[in-house]
Amino acid sequence: DAGVIQSPRHEVTEMGQEVTLRCKPISGHNSLFWYRQTMMRGLELLIYFNNNVPIDDSGMPEDRFSAKMPNASFSTLKIQPSEPRDSAVYFCASRRLSGQGRVYGYTFGSGTRLTVV
Amino acid sequence: DQQVKQNSPSLSVQEGRISILNCDYTNSMFDYFLWYKKYPAEGPTFLISISSIKDKNEDGRFTVFLNKSAKHLSLHIVPSQPGDSAVYFCAASGGGNQFYFGTGTSLTVIP
Repeated sequence: DAGVIQSPRHEVTEMGQEVTLRCKPISGHNSLFWYRQTMMRGLELLIYFNNNVPIDDSGMPEDRFSAKMPNASFSTLKIQPSEPRDSAVYFCASRRLSGQGRVYGYTFGSGTRLTVV
Repeated sequence: DQQVKQNSPSLSVQEGRISILNCDYTNSMFDYFLWYKKYPAEGPTFLISISSIKDKNEDGRFTVFLNKSAKHLSLHIVPSQPGDSAVYFCAASGGGNQFYFGTGTSLTVIP
C-alpha cells in the first residue's frame, strides 16, 4: 500500500489566493482526519470524516477553511482567501473506525507545507 | 485548551543513555494512548501504544509507562541511538474516534 498520499508537498501562494490541499487515504480506511502542525499547539485537529461524512469540524479556524470528502478515496482542504497566518504544515491521516474493542492508530501522510506570502 | 501536554519542547541525551519523554493529560476519560515519532519533512509514524488497563507496554528499546492516578505517561528509550533523534508526540483518546495530540518533544541523541 502506498500509504496516505498528500499533494502538493509544498505550496507557496500569495495572500488572498485560494489554496486546495489534497489527500488520498489508505484503501480500506474509513476515517479521515485533517491536522495542522504549529509550534504553539502541535498537531491541531481541524476536521474529521467517518465514512465520508464530516463528524467534527470544530477545529476549523474560520469560515475561510472548508473540507470535503466526495468519496472514500479522496478529500480536499480548501482555504479561501488564504492569509499569512495560515502558513503551516497540514497533515492528512486515515484509520479504520474503532470497534469491537479494537482501537486503530492513525497513518499520516507526509504533509503539505503551506507558505502564504 | 490543550488536553494533552508535553511540557518539555526539547531533550538532549548522550548515545547509549536512557531518553525519557513525558506527557500529561487532563481528561480522565482518556483510555488509550499512543506515541508517534516524526522526522523532518515526513508525517508522524506510529511508535507504541498503551491502553488504560495496563501500566506498562514494551516494544524493543521502547517502553511506555502509564500512571492513571497522575494522568501521566512517559516513553523510555533504552539505549538511545542517534537515529532516534526526532520529534515525539503523545496522543490520547477517550474511546471516540478522535485523538488529541501534545505539542511534541524534540529529542536529540548526541553520538
